[in-house]
Amino acid sequence: DTAVSQTPKYLVTQMGNDKSIKCEQNLGHDTMYWYKQDSKKFLKIMFSYNNKELIINETVPNRFSPKSPDKAHLNLHINSLELGDSAVYFCASSQDGKPQHFGDGTRLSIL
Amino acid sequence: QKEVEQNSGPLSVPEGAIASLNCTYSDRGSQSFFWYRQYSGKSPELIMFIYSNGDKEDGRFTAQLNKASQYVSLLIRDSQPSDSATYLCAVSRGSTLGRLYFGRGTQLTVWP
Repeated sequence: DTAVSQTPKYLVTQMGNDKSIKCEQNLGHDTMYWYKQDSKKFLKIMFSYNNKELIINETVPNRFSPKSPDKAHLNLHINSLELGDSAVYFCASSQDGKPQHFGDGTRLSIL
Repeated sequence: QKEVEQNSGPLSVPEGAIASLNCTYSDRGSQSFFWYRQYSGKSPELIMFIYSNGDKEDGRFTAQLNKASQYVSLLIRDSQPSDSATYLCAVSRGSTLGRLYFGRGTQLTVWP
């Protein structure tokens, strides 16, 4: 009965490949987020969706494309992966501005 | 650029002591303040949130907020080795759209 679940937990791939990360929440929240945590542990927001509508789009390369098929799911597709994309990507969800709940993270390593 | 500043540490305290973690923020429009704990290799876990000036206590944890000074702190009483983690301060304007700005975290070590 995991609240916010991400798949896969680990992703190791080569530069130039395209990959996707999936996120699902069963909390009934209407807002979902993608964060990137770099090697220095700095957690920075990338995107946010509210009821399937994109509401936050930070300065992120357009190789990153989020997609929300419904309010319980938010996926992240990354094209042409680069070395600098190596990080931990966290999905989170919230409702009405209340505290955000995070998934376990996806550790992306680019070879 | 809205900034959240924390002392990176590491902060090292003996078991049973009070650990004091500090955070300042630049956006005067910030309304909601959160403390997350992150163990190595794990996801951030919410431990406290505070919206009003003053103190808020929950068990061994006390969050303190001073909006005039743009300062929020977290006190951990009777620190335990299991409290050893990175503590992330996060602030938002509190709208329903909930954009959070995080500090870089303070690493806390509690030694037995």
